[in-house]
Amino acid sequence: DGGITQSPKYLFRKEGQNVTLSCEQNLNHDAMYWYRQDPGQGLRLIYYSQIVNDFQKGDIAEGYSVSREKKESFPLTVTSAQKNPTAFYLCASSPGQNQPQHFGDGTRLSIL
Amino acid sequence: QKEVEQNSGPLSVPEGAIASLNCTYSDRVSQSFFWYRQYSGKSPELIMSIYSNGDKEDGRFTAQLNKASQYVSLLIRDSQPSDSATYLCAVNFNTNAGKSTFGDGTTLTVKP
Repeated sequence: DGGITQSPKYLFRKEGQNVTLSCEQNLNHDAMYWYRQDPGQGLRLIYYSQIVNDFQKGDIAEGYSVSREKKESFPLTVTSAQKNPTAFYLCASSPGQNQPQHFGDGTRLSIL
Repeated sequence: QKEVEQNSGPLSVPEGAIASLNCTYSDRVSQSFFWYRQYSGKSPELIMSIYSNGDKEDGRFTAQLNKASQYVSLLIRDSQPSDSATYLCAVNFNTNAGKSTFGDGTTLTVKP
């Protein structure tokens, strides 16, 4: 079955620590996205990538970094510079510019 | 002013009624419009895509698009308790290089 796999489902970060959230898709989609969702809020775009080895900042990129070395993979690193990382993180992909997005099951990140 | 705005909600309807969800967007050339459903604690899933003016029906769901008035709506007929969720409107603006801009969502509760 094709889909998007995010791991881990739950993640805890210590002060001063960087953590990496995994996102893998086998849908052969070109575009991939990372969103942050806070309780009761909508989706805010962190980073997106439309092609391998290229990515752009979204609306709230500060304190986050990404890479896109393979079409299937778009990992997100939450750095220690992100002072309020507790949120629900969603990865998505889409096949083209005007196509809907498919979402993974998300990762819940909390601070220890 | 937000680029994509939805009824703040929450919206409550009795079982069997029609639920009407509305979304307005800013004055830019827009090509693609999507409705996603998000159950509490889960990731969004696509319900409807609409690309041209008029109505598009899929089962109990109807999306309505009016580009001149800059709104898109979602009607849910014969609402069921299982329709209780947050509904997210997303718009792909022509200048956004394929990104979707999401509204904050409207939470719908269908009471038995």
